[in-house]
Amino acid sequence: DVKVTQSSRYLVKRTGEKVFLECVQDMDHENMFWYRQDPGLGLRLIYFSYDVKMKEKGDIPEGYSVSREKKERFSLILESASTNQTSMYLCASLGQGLAQYFGPGTRLTVT
Amino acid sequence: GESVGLHLPTLSVQEGDNSIINCAYSNSASDYFIWYKQESGKGPQFIIDIRSNMDKRQGQRVTVLLNKTVKHLSLQIAATQPGDSAVYFCAENPGDTDKLIFGTGTRLQVFP
Repeated sequence: DVKVTQSSRYLVKRTGEKVFLECVQDMDHENMFWYRQDPGLGLRLIYFSYDVKMKEKGDIPEGYSVSREKKERFSLILESASTNQTSMYLCASLGQGLAQYFGPGTRLTVT
Repeated sequence: GESVGLHLPTLSVQEGDNSIINCAYSNSASDYFIWYKQESGKGPQFIIDIRSNMDKRQGQRVTVLLNKTVKHLSLQIAATQPGDSAVYFCAENPGDTDKLIFGTGTRLQVFP
């Protein structure tokens, strides 16, 4: 089974803090994705990566950056957290075919 | 905490009945579709997928139907159980990238 893990289930940060969300997959997948999920808006793609050190912007990259130094790890960075970045953050890894497999999510609250 | 399904349409079914969850997709060029299940506080879980060269695919207690003419996808769950209670959403792949386009979902509530 594909396993995608995220570093934290719940996180509370203050406005202006730098926040790191980490995601690890154990299936040697090349493609990884970061989404945020908000009520009524569904899943929105922030960034994705096709391979180590490669990244592309998704639909809502503003305020975020990513890092992919190793194939199994994809990190999402909030350079200066703001209250409108309070959300559920989901990482996914692309498996066989086009199915994406998700981690458990990190619920981030910015106060 | 706030639920991801706060503003979603809801389908309520009795335990043991069959459930049908519908999804209208947006892109006529989409050639791959997935259904996900998301329980409260958890990440989405892959249920079943289907390619556009098929109109039906069956899994364990689930069936996905694809109608390309009207761009409609449905998920049928047989003998619905309390553990099926969750938000279900579909996703489509337009064919030109590895990205998926996600629907907003339907909440399924199973009552005894």
